[in-house]
This record gives sequence, structure tokens and C-alpha cells, in this order.
Amino acid sequence: AQTVTQSQPEMSVQEAETVTLSCTYDTSESDYYLFWYKQPPSRQMILVIRQEAYKQQNATENRFSVNFQKAAKSFSLKISDSQLGDAAMYFCAYRGGGADGLTFGKGTHLIIQP
Amino acid sequence: DGGITQSPKYLFRKEGQNVTLSCEQNLNHDAMYWYRQDPGQGLRLIYYSQIVNDFQKGDIAEGYSVSREKKESFPLTVTSAQKNPTAFYLCASSPGYRGQETQYFGPGTRLLVL
Repeated sequence: AQTVTQSQPEMSVQEAETVTLSCTYDTSESDYYLFWYKQPPSRQMILVIRQEAYKQQNATENRFSVNFQKAAKSFSLKISDSQLGDAAMYFCAYRGGGADGLTFGKGTHLIIQP
Repeated sequence: DGGITQSPKYLFRKEGQNVTLSCEQNLNHDAMYWYRQDPGQGLRLIYYSQIVNDFQKGDIAEGYSVSREKKESFPLTVTSAQKNPTAFYLCASSPGYRGQETQYFGPGTRLLVL
């Protein structure tokens, strides 16, 4: 079974600074997808960024980028120019090539200090 | 507006009672999913459905049941066999075909046991 590990229960960063959230996963598959979701206090799950394992290029969405290291099974999220609205729980998630659901990590609580 | 709706927002269950959580989507997505979230935990997959009239158990299906009679609807019943039902329940959907694996989430239902 696949597992996803987020080793940082909580991270704190000053507004406008850069922060990196860590995620590692375990799988025997070669075809899979990785996601970062944001869950603000409203508890709505919002997609931040996704990465296909077959793509070597790291995904980028505005201030959000990933460092995907397939051999190391690592998928970190970098948030540049942190804003107060970035404060939330961030979940790393894995989806195999088959037609099943997502496997989530336990999340990282990101605090933005003004 | 296209999206996923869940109702009710809050639900109270008495001991020994079955309750049903509603999930509706108008995104024309084939696949739908139910997740459970407990405090300090990531989401865990309860059931999923790739097409109408077909569904599969996820990691924690015991004490739950689902149906998929229409493409737009995927209701979840929490039965009296679920001994610890207090949690936040999230429904998701995805197009369900290769290249479109991203899951989009509804706003969630919080279930509390009286």
C-alpha cells in the first residue's frame, strides 16, 4: 500500500518570505500523480498544484512550485512571497495510475506571521 | 455555476440511527469519492465510484454504504454499525479518465453523535 509522509506538523514563516513544505511517499508504481491541497479554516479542500510522475519538469503555479525528486520519492512544495491568505493546512496526496482514490499525508499547518 | 454540493452542513446522529449524507455534482464527472477526516489526520477513502451503478470499497468502508444510481449523485449512508462516526466527511469528483485525475472537493459535512 502506498503511504504519504509529511514530517512537519507545523511551519511558521514571515509574510513575504519563502517556505518549503516537505512530503515523501512510498510506492512501487512507476505511473502516478502527486498533489498539494490547501485546507483553510473553512475546511474546503483547494487544489494548489499537481505533478505527473512521468514529467521531469517541476510544476509551477504562480507563487507555488514543487521540487519533485522521483528517485528519492520526494515532493516538496515551495511557497514564495508568502501572504496572509496562505495560512492553512497543506496536504500532500498521491494517486496511483489505476482508478482509485487519493492517499493523503497528515498535513502541515502553515502559519504566516505579519 | 458548476460545482459539488454537500448537504447538510451539520448532521446529528443518535445512537443506533442510520443517516445519509448527500453529494451532488454538476461537473459531468464520471468518478466520485467519499473521504473521512478526523482531527489531526489526513483524509481517508471510504468508497468510490467510477461509473453509474458501480462502486468500490476504500480503506475504511466498514459501517458505511453508498449508491450510484445517477451520474450526478453519490449519497453516503453512515449505518449504526459505524461505532465512531463523528468526523468531517468530504465528497469529491473527477472526470475519471487519463490525463484528468485531479479530484475536486465539496464543502463537507460535519457529523456529530448525540
